[in-house]
Amino acid sequence: KAGVTQTPRYLIKTRGQQVTLSCSPISGHRSVSWYQQTPGQGLQFLFEYFSETQRNKGNFPGRFSGRQFSNSRSEMNVSTLELGDSALYLCASSLPGQGAFSYEQYFGPGTRLTVT
Amino acid sequence: GDSVTQMEGPVTLSEEAFLTINCTYTATGYPSLFWYVQYPGEGLQLLLKATKADDKGSNKGFEATYRKETTSFHLEKGSVQVSDSAVYFCALTRIGAGSYQLTFGKGTKLSVIP
Repeated sequence: KAGVTQTPRYLIKTRGQQVTLSCSPISGHRSVSWYQQTPGQGLQFLFEYFSETQRNKGNFPGRFSGRQFSNSRSEMNVSTLELGDSALYLCASSLPGQGAFSYEQYFGPGTRLTVT
Repeated sequence: GDSVTQMEGPVTLSEEAFLTINCTYTATGYPSLFWYVQYPGEGLQLLLKATKADDKGSNKGFEATYRKETTSFHLEKGSVQVSDSAVYFCALTRIGAGSYQLTFGKGTKLSVIP
């Protein structure tokens, strides 16, 4: 079974631009979560989508948004990019329904975003 | 809110040495606990998990026991290999509002030298 895929793997943008990142979950997985990883702040939760609905959102400004499609693929968008948005953006998928206490998330390789 | 604290790195060990990476957590209720590993240039891989007190998670020679009384989930391996060189993250998840969210520690970089 194919793993979580993220495109593109690397991206360079200029301050003020916007960017869209894509994530395809493992086949059959319906939940997709996004995380930002930086050397200073570590791994921080951005948001989670399940059945095209945002179920939870982390403490990030409104410039960060996302959506999920009917096939469970997800995109996240960052508008008006700032230098501090440079990070590795990780997507994770899971299969809710296995039981609350056996929940596992499977991560993609990430998209490395550099803002100049 | 929830938080995870793990020992600062980097940790450098010789091959076949014993490994311990400390992890403690703060959370209400009964979180599930995880160790993830990140190899250079890759995403995170689930290494092991424990879902209730006194559970022991194990995988690839790594072990960690869920200690509710000390709110800890320390990672151990009896004999490390060069291939274990990576960054290790302790994490927890707690169900909230029907959503699952992982809270991570800062990560501990392990380097194993031959």
